Amino acid sequence: EDKVVQSPLSLVVHEGDTVTLNCSYEVTNFRSLLWYKQEKKAPTFLFMLTSSGIEKKSGRLSSILDKKELFSILNITATQTGDSAIYLCAVVPNTGNQFYFGTGTSLTVIP
Amino acid sequence: DGGITQSPKYLFRKEGQNVTLSCEQNLNHDAMYWYRQDPGQGLRLIYYSQIVNDFQKGDIAEGYSVSREKKESFPLTVTSAQKNPTAFYLCASTDSGRTYEQYFGPGTRLTVT
Repeated sequence: EDKVVQSPLSLVVHEGDTVTLNCSYEVTNFRSLLWYKQEKKAPTFLFMLTSSGIEKKSGRLSSILDKKELFSILNITATQTGDSAIYLCAVVPNTGNQFYFGTGTSLTVIP
Repeated sequence: DGGITQSPKYLFRKEGQNVTLSCEQNLNHDAMYWYRQDPGQGLRLIYYSQIVNDFQKGDIAEGYSVSREKKESFPLTVTSAQKNPTAFYLCASTDSGRTYEQYFGPGTRLTVT
């Protein structure tokens, strides 16, 4: 059965800390892995990763995929209170259009 | 502006009543999805549709029904058979021919008492 596991489930850090969020997957015929940030309502897209070892970066956020070990990490440096959100990881297989979401990591950044 | 609209934002119903949640997109996307999100949890797939007049059950389809009569519209009906319908419902769409990025609507929070 295809599945996506995120860890930790929740995390509380102080402003300025660096955090690493993990996403491991068991999905046959992997095509891509996506990271989303969800604040109060709809998730917003952060990154899509398809190739192993290539880092995607946007400001203080970066992500990398390891297709051999079947995981991805999302790094956030110099965290700010505005980074507080649920971070969702989703994996898309080659077959069909179904997205497999993890349970999310709830990040709280305190001043 | 292209996007996905869901209505209403908040919905209250009495137990035993069916309720239909609206989802419309003007992105010309082929695939559309319904997810359910419970507090502190990720997204669980209810139904998805890759083309008009075709849809597939997701992981938690029991107690729900959908239709896809038009490309732009994918309404979800929460029936009285759904044991715990109170949740946040998200609709999404994907242009499966290109990026596979999933676009989300703003969500509908359903409360059944």
